[in-house]
Amino acid sequence: EPEVTQTPSHQVTQMGQEVILRCVPISNHLYFYWYRQILGQKVEFLVSFYNNEISEKSEIFDDQFSVERPDGSNFTLKIRSTKLEDSAMYFCASREDRGVSGELFFGEGSRLTVL
Amino acid sequence: GENVEQHPSTLSVQEGDSAVIKCTYSDSASNYFPWYKQELGKRPQLIIDIRSNVGEKKDQRIAVTLNKTAKHFSLHITETQPEDSAVYFCATHTGGFKTIFGAGTRLFVKA
Repeated sequence: EPEVTQTPSHQVTQMGQEVILRCVPISNHLYFYWYRQILGQKVEFLVSFYNNEISEKSEIFDDQFSVERPDGSNFTLKIRSTKLEDSAMYFCASREDRGVSGELFFGEGSRLTVL
Repeated sequence: GENVEQHPSTLSVQEGDSAVIKCTYSDSASNYFPWYKQELGKRPQLIIDIRSNVGEKKDQRIAVTLNKTAKHFSLHITETQPEDSAVYFCATHTGGFKTIFGAGTRLFVKA
């Protein structure tokens, strides 16, 4: 069964460093997402991406964040200068369409620890 | 903006009992209401969903009800089993590009 894959599973970084989290969405899906989950808390929407551009973003997704789909398969989240409060699990998700039948398929997550 | 309130935050039941989790939402344009289950250290996975033109949906031991007028929807799990222990998230989708999640309910099923 096809699934969303994410790398790395865990990354430890120093405050102020740049981090890139990578995702490979399910191949026939058209809508891609990044969500964040701070330990023990809710799943928070960061950004959605469709047709090679950002379609929606949340207040969390400030100028420190960017997304890119550099080729036909990868979808990346970059944090330019990490802060302590960026420590969280980052989930990539994809959806086949944005209509009413749109189940989100999540990857296993990338745990980011900022020291 | 959109908001989803979920209650309770923690729920503890005896094996075999029923569990009910309730959510309310603010955006009247919401038209799709999924429920996700997240086991410890794992990804959220869809367990059931309901669309705005339906009032109730059932899948074996799991059911979801929707009251669009009152803007609330509920998850019902009957005959709970220890493997139902997890965090459950309700969510709403407006037909736009994003799904918004509730704060989650940690369900403990005691054997």
